[in-house]
Amino acid sequence: DADVTQTPRNRITKTGKRIMLECSQTKGHDRMYWYRQDPGLGLRLIYYSFDVKDINKGEISDGYSVSRQAQAKFSLSLESAIPNQTALYFCATSDLRQGANTDTQYFGPGTRLTVL
Amino acid sequence: GENVEQHPSTLSVQEGDSAVIKCTYSDSASNYFPWYKQELGKGPQLIIDIRSNVGEKKDQRIAVTLNKTAKHFSLHITETQPEDSAVYFCAASPVDRGSTLGRLYFGRGTQLTVWP
Repeated sequence: DADVTQTPRNRITKTGKRIMLECSQTKGHDRMYWYRQDPGLGLRLIYYSFDVKDINKGEISDGYSVSRQAQAKFSLSLESAIPNQTALYFCATSDLRQGANTDTQYFGPGTRLTVL
Repeated sequence: GENVEQHPSTLSVQEGDSAVIKCTYSDSASNYFPWYKQELGKGPQLIIDIRSNVGEKKDQRIAVTLNKTAKHFSLHITETQPEDSAVYFCAASPVDRGSTLGRLYFGRGTQLTVWP
């Protein structure tokens, strides 16, 4: 969905490096999510944010941190990247406003991260 | 938390045949069940969803059925076409529960291949 953008789209880095993945949305949604996708494991939730002041851990938050700089921006950081963090990372948004469909999540195009 | 299991992991069908993907969930509080389609190189996109007060929902060639007693739901695609080839994810959401409101728990995905 072009309304949710992720940068970079591809990144190769080395073990121990700090990496930041960025997500921006123009949908005006209040909720944002970071997922990790590995072959055969589906989509696993790393962190999610209900608004700028609300950050929650998902099921695999160890080794990751996030920052919600504004309603439209949600960044994922790997403070010291390791090879088993090699994966496809997706950002998603959803809308909690009254009357909206609170459940549909809209995904960005993904960032392919390789840690050597 | 919720646990969603999805089968099969791969499915190959001939063009024009039907395809069925099945999911089970563990949390009786889940009452929203979306299906996402992920094409190669793209993020997942919602294709159909169903809520617990409905047993079946249809949208052209796609239908979803829900059995809350047995805690399982299925995606049915009729008259399959090569462009239906993609990875399909089911998910479950405990919509009415506090901080987990809107959070999706995904199955591991099914790679569907439709042969011409």
